[in-house]
Amino acid sequence: DIGLTQSPGTLSMSPGERATLSCRASRSLSSSYLAWYQQRPGQAPRLLMYDAFSRATGIPDRFSGSGSGTDFTLTISRLEPEDFAVYYCQNYGRSQWTFGQGTKVEIK
Amino acid sequence: EVRLLESGGDLVQPGGSLRLSCAASGFTFSGYGMSWVRQAPGKGLEWVSSLSSSGDMTYYADSVKGRFTISRDNSKNTLYLQMSSLRAEDTALYYCANLFNNRFDHWGQGTLVTVSS
Repeated sequence: DIGLTQSPGTLSMSPGERATLSCRASRSLSSSYLAWYQQRPGQAPRLLMYDAFSRATGIPDRFSGSGSGTDFTLTISRLEPEDFAVYYCQNYGRSQWTFGQGTKVEIK
Repeated sequence: EVRLLESGGDLVQPGGSLRLSCAASGFTFSGYGMSWVRQAPGKGLEWVSSLSSSGDMTYYADSVKGRFTISRDNSKNTLYLQMSSLRAEDTALYYCANLFNNRFDHWGQGTLVTVSS
């Protein structure tokens, strides 16, 4: 199974700043199977990005995804108050679905 | 609008059984794979199980294999998770989600399962 390691565990940022979240896979994976989710406090997760680079329906363009092989990044260009949340990366491979442990973006 | 509504969560003793349901609407249920994902209190997301649109192919995390059974009734637009031999570590909020290209496209609000004596 592929393991996903997210860093940092917590990111302390101010509104308007740029946030960069990392997701590293234990071995090279297809970018077609890399997704990102946002989970706000008390809410269900929601799909943000899929295929590493594509924004899900209704996701603002301040969110972008990049990367390939083992290293993937979610960037939030200018943090809005509603962006303070936990973010998870997710991969599919060999009939198993895997999540990273999450990165919490908190208000500094 | 896609809606997924989980139900069936409860307090159950270790070794007990429980069946979760997820009622789907707003999309062609029979055309989508479906999944269960859980989240223990204060913890991250853990994939539990998935099945194909027709229900003929099922997949399980090692942590639940042999104890949980996923199924669906496409005539009722409903997904199920039969859980048996429950353990304290199964305590979590259980979400159902529809699968599209192996990503979890839409999520329900979850149903809480607590395993405790």
